Amino acid sequence: NAGVTQTPKFQVLKTGQSMTLQCAQDMNHEYMSWYRQDPGMGLRLIHYSVGAGITDQGEVPNGYNVSRSTTEDFPLRLLSAAPSQTSVYFCASSYSPGRNPTDTQYFGPGTRLTVL
Amino acid sequence: QQQVKQSPQSLIVQKGGISIINCAYENTAFDYFPWYQQFPGKGPALLIAIRPDVSEKKEGRFTISFNKSAKQFSLHIMDSQPGDSATYFCAASIPGNQFYFGTGTSLTVIP
Repeated sequence: NAGVTQTPKFQVLKTGQSMTLQCAQDMNHEYMSWYRQDPGMGLRLIHYSVGAGITDQGEVPNGYNVSRSTTEDFPLRLLSAAPSQTSVYFCASSYSPGRNPTDTQYFGPGTRLTVL
Repeated sequence: QQQVKQSPQSLIVQKGGISIINCAYENTAFDYFPWYQQFPGKGPALLIAIRPDVSEKKEGRFTISFNKSAKQFSLHIMDSQPGDSATYFCAASIPGNQFYFGTGTSLTVIP
């Protein structure tokens, strides 16, 4: 199992550019989520999905879009990058927390994004 | 509004000492409280977790103490080692809902 994979590892964008952060998991997990990590702020949920075709907003969704066409993939799109979106982004997956809330959430290695 | 409040922000402990990190919450609907460990350049990884029906859970040198009435829980690392130097996050979740994370504690264990 590769677990949760994220690409790219590093990215530099200019203000106004768009890009997609890729996330894939091979554990057949229903639940996938995107977090951003900023100094002193911890991990904040951007969007999450409880299964293919189902997505919902988290704590800080503005400026980001997601879709879930397959169980394995959960890309995060930045529509028009802003300096405030400079952060480290983590994708995570688990079995549905509604089925068993004690199931471990597995995190990817992260994408470090800088917006100039 | 921070759903889970974590302290301290940073902690320096001598090798062999006890590291203690504290978290507090307000939402009584939370029923799962995991702790994550994160090394530089890596994603967080589950360390230990507890449900509110027990007051303590121990796994090796790591112990969670849970005080339901005070709405507080803490991580104790016994016999702290330099390899424990990392950032630690507490979290809480509601069944079928999202996880809420604390702001993190940077632990440094001095040899």
